[in-house]
Amino acid sequence: AQKVTQAQTEISVVEKEDVTLDCVYETRDTTYYLFWYKQPPSGELVFLIRRNSFDEQNEISGRYSWNFQKSTSSFNFTITASQVVDSAVYFCALSDPTGMTEKLTFGTGTRLTIIP
Amino acid sequence: GAGVSQTPSNKVTEKGKYVELRCDPISGHTALYWYRQSLGQGPEFLIYFQGTGAADDSGLPNDRFFAVRPEGSVSTLKIQRTERGDSAVYLCASSLTFQGTQYFGPGTRLTVL
Repeated sequence: AQKVTQAQTEISVVEKEDVTLDCVYETRDTTYYLFWYKQPPSGELVFLIRRNSFDEQNEISGRYSWNFQKSTSSFNFTITASQVVDSAVYFCALSDPTGMTEKLTFGTGTRLTIIP
Repeated sequence: GAGVSQTPSNKVTEKGKYVELRCDPISGHTALYWYRQSLGQGPEFLIYFQGTGAADDSGLPNDRFFAVRPEGSVSTLKIQRTERGDSAVYLCASSLTFQGTQYFGPGTRLTVL
C-alpha cells in the first residue's frame, strides 16, 4: 500500500526566513509521480509541482525548490525568503499509476504560518 | 481559462436526507476525480472517471455513495441517507488525460446535522 508521511503538523517562521517542509513516502511501484499542493485559507488546492520517479534532479522555481531523494524516499520542499502569502497548508502526494487509475495518496499536510 | 467549478460551495442537510454535489471540470479534460477531505486531514480518493465510465470506485465508503458523469463532462456525486460522519469537504479534480496533473476545484463543504 502507498503511504505519504508529513511529520511536521505545524510550522511557524518569521517572514524572510527559509523553511523546509518534509515529505517521506512509501510505495512498491518503480514508476510513480510525486506532487506538492498548496491549500490557502480559501480552501482550493493549488498545484505546485509534479515529479517523475525517474527524475531525481532538484528543481527550483523562484523562491520554491524541491529536493527528491529516492534513496531515502523523500521529496522535501523549501521556501526561500518566506512571505506572508506563503501561509497555507501544504500537501505532499503520491500517484498510483497501476491499473486504470492515477488516484493520489495525500499526506496529512503541514500548516505553515509566516509571521510578519 | 476557467478552472474546475463545484456547486454548491456549502450544503447543510439533515441526517437521513439525500444530497447531490456537482462538478464542472476544466473544458476538454477527460479524467475526473472525487476526493473527500475531513478536518485536519489530506484528501482521500473516492472515485475516478475516464470519460463517462467510472474506471475506479474503490474509494467510495459504502453503497450510499454514487457518482455519475453521463456525458463525459459534468459529474454529480450523490449521497443517500446522509449521516453525520459524511460531513467533510468534497473535492473534485480533473486532468487532461489519464496520468495527467490533477487540478482541483474549490470544494463543497457538506455539513450533516
